[in-house]
Amino acid sequence: GAGVSQTPSNKVTEKGKYVELRCDPISGHTALYWYRQSLGQGPEFLIYFQGTGAADDSGLPNDRFFAVRPEGSVSTLKIQRTERGDSAVYLCASSGDRNQPQHFGDGTRLSIL
Amino acid sequence: KNQVEQSPQSLIILEGKNCTLQCNYTVSPFSNLRWYKQDTGRGPVSLTIMTFRENTKSNGRYTATLDADTKQSSLHITASQLSDSASYICVVSADRMNTGFQKLVFGTGTRLLVSP
Repeated sequence: GAGVSQTPSNKVTEKGKYVELRCDPISGHTALYWYRQSLGQGPEFLIYFQGTGAADDSGLPNDRFFAVRPEGSVSTLKIQRTERGDSAVYLCASSGDRNQPQHFGDGTRLSIL
Repeated sequence: KNQVEQSPQSLIILEGKNCTLQCNYTVSPFSNLRWYKQDTGRGPVSLTIMTFRENTKSNGRYTATLDADTKQSSLHITASQLSDSASYICVVSADRMNTGFQKLVFGTGTRLLVSP
């Protein structure tokens, strides 16, 4: 597609469950980023992939969060044993060059009941 | 601590009027500063990007300024339209040379409402 695609657009689940959030970056973009945005706040960095490898995962809040990008394109953010505090919009972005803007998807709104 | 602060937090203006949004930052080492527009329920969309060498950058009715000495930026919107209603986020990039990755530090945004 022309832009970054994220699925699902909304996810509601119970506390303690496991969730997977998917990101399809712009074709050809080697860099992929995950952010978390709470209501009324700016996005906060979670993890950055360059190709298949996680070059910087310093933003992941704890070991319940994990992300993969096995073929250097689609990425999946995985959250285990979800907590109510995990409720937020999870944004994915991609870029083709370090000096170019990051192109964002519309996010997945995650609600933990 | 790397921080980006924006003001005002929210703003209401009449259609056709101009407005200016402010951004102060303490991010080091500085690489570039970007302004993003975020419509409700959508991802941020880049408006402008400036390095320390640039003082001003325009994109249609949007004009951004940067003073790298005082670490301040502004976004000026001319002849506002109803479609300008959105959050405007100032984002400063810290240069991480070892990874080739520019870590973005986001402000909390200014929520602009353009009223008819």
